[in-house]
Amino acid sequence: DAGVTQSPTHLIKTRGQQVTLRCSPKSGHDTVSWYQQALGQGPQFIFQYYEEEERQRGNFPDRFSGHQFPNYSSELNVNALLLGDSALYLCASMRGRQETQYFGPGTRLLVL
Amino acid sequence: AQSVTQLGSHVSVSEGALVLLRCNYSSSVPPYLFWYVQYPNQGLQLLLKYTSAATLVKGINGFEAEFKKSETSFHLTKPSAHMSDAAEYFCAVSDAAGNKLTFGGGTRVLVKP
Repeated sequence: DAGVTQSPTHLIKTRGQQVTLRCSPKSGHDTVSWYQQALGQGPQFIFQYYEEEERQRGNFPDRFSGHQFPNYSSELNVNALLLGDSALYLCASMRGRQETQYFGPGTRLLVL
Repeated sequence: AQSVTQLGSHVSVSEGALVLLRCNYSSSVPPYLFWYVQYPNQGLQLLLKYTSAATLVKGINGFEAEFKKSETSFHLTKPSAHMSDAAEYFCAVSDAAGNKLTFGGGTRVLVKP
């Protein structure tokens, strides 16, 4: 049973560019959440998708957007990248509104 | 708004000694509480969770945590540290099942031989 998978594992971009990160949820899961973990800090909630709709959103600017596909996979898009967007981006999945969210290994983004 | 405070960003313990990681939370509703562990260059793995059932929660790898409402705490313990416990530990709170997780700043555990 595959867990949550994310791609790519690492990414280097320059300021002003746009980036797309991808997440495939654990088998049987239909809800996907995205978190940003800056170096030395705890993860911060970006948004959550369920049934292809954004269900919850954290305190992130509109430069951060997402999408969920009919197969429940999800993308995180970040426009106009800033140096401060450098972080580990974590995807988590669950079924419906279960208590437990399962995390993927993350995508490490470096903005130069 | 919810918040989590983890006291001590770094903890050093000897192998075989007690591990105690402190977590205090703030929530206006009965909380769901979680402890996650993160090994270097990896994602988060759930250690245990409290969801309003028993106040003493047992998790994986010999860890347990006790929910104390009067102290708004959810401290994590392990009686005997193992070298493989060296990692970063995060406490998190949610206001409802499936809602966003709010994490503390993390505690990095170093285990000395």
